[in-house]
Parts: sequence; C-alpha cells; structure tokens
Amino acid sequence: QKEVEQNSGPLSVPEGAIASLNCTYSDRGSQSFFWYRQYSGKSPELIMSIYSNGDKEDGRFTAQLNKASQYVSLLIRDSQPSDSATYLCAVSSAAGNKLTFGGGTRVLVKP
Amino acid sequence: ETGVTQTPRHLVMGMTNKKSLKCEQHLGHNAMYWYKQSAKKPLELMFVYNFKEQTENNSVPSRFSPECPNSSHLFLHLHTLQPEDSALYLCASSQGRSGRARGGELFFGEGSRLTVL
Repeated sequence: QKEVEQNSGPLSVPEGAIASLNCTYSDRGSQSFFWYRQYSGKSPELIMSIYSNGDKEDGRFTAQLNKASQYVSLLIRDSQPSDSATYLCAVSSAAGNKLTFGGGTRVLVKP
Repeated sequence: ETGVTQTPRHLVMGMTNKKSLKCEQHLGHNAMYWYKQSAKKPLELMFVYNFKEQTENNSVPSRFSPECPNSSHLFLHLHTLQPEDSALYLCASSQGRSGRARGGELFFGEGSRLTVL
C-alpha cells in the first residue's frame, strides 16, 4: 500500500471552474499536510499547509483535512490556464521526522 | 542570490566518472535535503541534514555520498553511478526538521538534471 496516494490524472477542467484534488494517506498519526505545485520542467513550490481538521482558505485555494478519514483535498476556485501543473500532496510521519510525497495529480485548465 | 540555488543544472556523466552536485541556501534555514525525482515516480527522500548533522539516510546506495559542511551548503558526491540513477536531483531547505510543522514547508532549488550513460 502506498503511503500517500493521489490520482495521477490528468484532471481536465474548464477555465473558471473548480478543480478538486484528493489525497489519502496511510499513517494515522500524521499531523502536518502540505500541497505543492510543480510546473513542467520546474521544481515544486509550496502553496498550502494545513494542520487541523477542517478547511483552510488562501486566495483561490482551499485545503480540506479530515484526519479520521485520512483524507486531505485541495480545491482551486476560478481555475485559470496558469493553474495547469502537477499538484503534489505531502504528509509528515507520525514521528515528525519524514515528509512523504504522493505521485501528484496533473491538472489541465482549458480556456 | 535568493532562495536555494543548485549547480550544475545539467550533468552528463559516464558510469566510471566522479562528479558532485552543489546546493546553497540563502534563507537562513537549518535543515537541508536531497530528493530524487524520476519519471512517473513520487519524489524520493534521499538524505536529511539538520544543523549540518545527517538525520536521515533513506537506504540510499553508497555510490551517493552527501556532505554538509555548514547549514547553508550541501553537496552530493556521485561515483560509479548506473544508468537507472538518471533523474532530477532536487535540493531543499526548511526552517525546522522535515515532518514537523514548519519543517514540511520546503523550499526547493531548480534541480540538477543528471544523465548517466
């Protein structure tokens, strides 16, 4: 079983729509969760972090965490072509000494 | 210079060569990391240094040898590599250890694209 699982996509959304990305993790004791965006040919960049159950909003991005279901999601509102990228979910270990990445979900926003 | 810089950006080497990758961070962070990114595989953690002490070696083959002389510089020495080692090698830094709250907020360099012939 993979430690952090994401649908590889591509997730195709029309411009202006909401893109919904999901991530599940296996380590029930994990406490810290992160979303990174990686454009083709570039390195990952942090876009959201979330530590408590519930929603966290930052601009057009909303991260949602449900520790009981071991599930974290990312919503991108009013999707723009510039949001086309691979989105990586990252989860800390329960011991707090390791960050594990999922395989990423490729998002394509079509004008 | 800002952020995390890596050199060289591209490297082609034979299996018998010895080369080194360099990483420098200008963010005042205390933790530095080497990650490997291969096609169609998740980012793989290789090494973690916290205050220039190695705190994680993720079962990496000995043909990869890290060196961290201080909290701002990190090297990855390469020797007798295999073609399957061809990948993008990413350096990152964070304020705090990986896995802890701010430690998971990684700042990545642009990467060194390695090709082993």
